[in-house]
Amino acid sequence: EPEVTQTPSHQVTQMGQEVILRCVPISNHLYFYWYRQILGQKVEFLVSFYNNEISEKSEIFDDQFSVERPDGSNFTLKIRSTKLEDSAMYFCASSELDRVAEQFFGPGTRLTVL
Amino acid sequence: QQPVQSPQAVILREGEDAVINCSSSKALYSVHWYRQKHGEAPVFLMILLKGGEQKGHEKISASFNEKKQQSSLYLTASQLSYSGTYFCGTEGSGGQNFVFGPGTRLSVLP
Repeated sequence: EPEVTQTPSHQVTQMGQEVILRCVPISNHLYFYWYRQILGQKVEFLVSFYNNEISEKSEIFDDQFSVERPDGSNFTLKIRSTKLEDSAMYFCASSELDRVAEQFFGPGTRLTVL
Repeated sequence: QQPVQSPQAVILREGEDAVINCSSSKALYSVHWYRQKHGEAPVFLMILLKGGEQKGHEKISASFNEKKQQSSLYLTASQLSYSGTYFCGTEGSGGQNFVFGPGTRLSVLP
């Protein structure tokens, strides 16, 4: 069964450093998403991406965040200058159609900012 | 705007029923339900579109009352495997961002 994969599973970084979180969505999916979940809290929408551009973003997704689909398979989230409060689990998701469709979530990347 | 979920937490014995509610202050186009087990990613349960439909998935079903801007998730004859946090996600009729609710933690005990 096709699945969304994410690397690394755990990333530890120093405050102020740049991190890139990687995702490989399901191959025939067209819509891609990043979510964040601070430990013990709800899942928060960050950004959706379609047709090589951001289709929507939340207020959390400020200038320190960027997304890219550098090739036909990877979908990345870059955090330019990490802050302590960026520590969270980051989930990538993809769907075949638009948001009115099942989103398949990856296993997540746990980001720890020290 | 984030939907409201109730209750925040519920504890059941195996075989009992539960209802989880999700409501929004804005007109909704769709409601999604996901379940997340501890340490895992959310897993899709179902989507309901405006039109007041009801859907079922094994012993888990849901309704969507468009006029009241709320959805309810029904879990009947709960199983141990139903334990987890249930999130509703909503998309507004005005094309607002998809937003998850705060979650309802469900614990099913033997």
